[in-house]
Amino acid sequence: AQSVSQHNHHVILSEAASLELGCNYSYGGTVNLFWYVQYPGQHLQLLLKYFSGDPLVKGIKGFEAEFIKSKFSFNLRKPSVQWSDTAEYFCAVNQIIFGKGTRLHILP
Amino acid sequence: NAGVTQTPKFQVLKTGQSMTLQCAQDMNHNSMYWYRQDPGMGLRLIYYSASEGTTDKGEVPNGYNVSRLNKREFSLRLESAAPSQTSVYFCASSEGGDRNTGELFFGEGSRLTVL
Repeated sequence: AQSVSQHNHHVILSEAASLELGCNYSYGGTVNLFWYVQYPGQHLQLLLKYFSGDPLVKGIKGFEAEFIKSKFSFNLRKPSVQWSDTAEYFCAVNQIIFGKGTRLHILP
Repeated sequence: NAGVTQTPKFQVLKTGQSMTLQCAQDMNHNSMYWYRQDPGMGLRLIYYSASEGTTDKGEVPNGYNVSRLNKREFSLRLESAAPSQTSVYFCASSEGGDRNTGELFFGEGSRLTVL
């Protein structure tokens, strides 16, 4: 079955802490991978994407993600989070399968 | 630059009533999508349209119909609303004709409550 699994449903961190959000997928075919972010009261917007090439991709606001094909993973990372990173984060495969989301709450 | 525009933003319906959610994009995108977002469920694809004149079912199409009126507009209709359809609905568009590629651009969402 096609699916995207986000392991952390709710993450609470202090400012300046490092962040890693897990994403694993199950999909029988070519994958294009995305992370979207939804800030409070706003609509979803693209954080970063992977289509091919370098498996380490960089996105907006200092976020990056690494595609590990052998692990079917596309984890999102940020070395030092800010209060403004408080949002819900969604991993997606091929625009048609989204994970259930991870709510990130950053303590000032 | 409007991007993706959805109307209405809020709607309350009684069980059995019908309504249509409208979506329009001004980016000349080929593909358009309707998702619903429920707490703890993420986004689930209802229907999509890879190009003008075509529509296909997504993961949760039951109880919905869609119309790709032209390249700009993609509407979602609830013929007989049910409480299970209480949700936030998002319209999105992407550039490519192939729905498996390209960044999604989302509307601001339509919050629907069915009593």
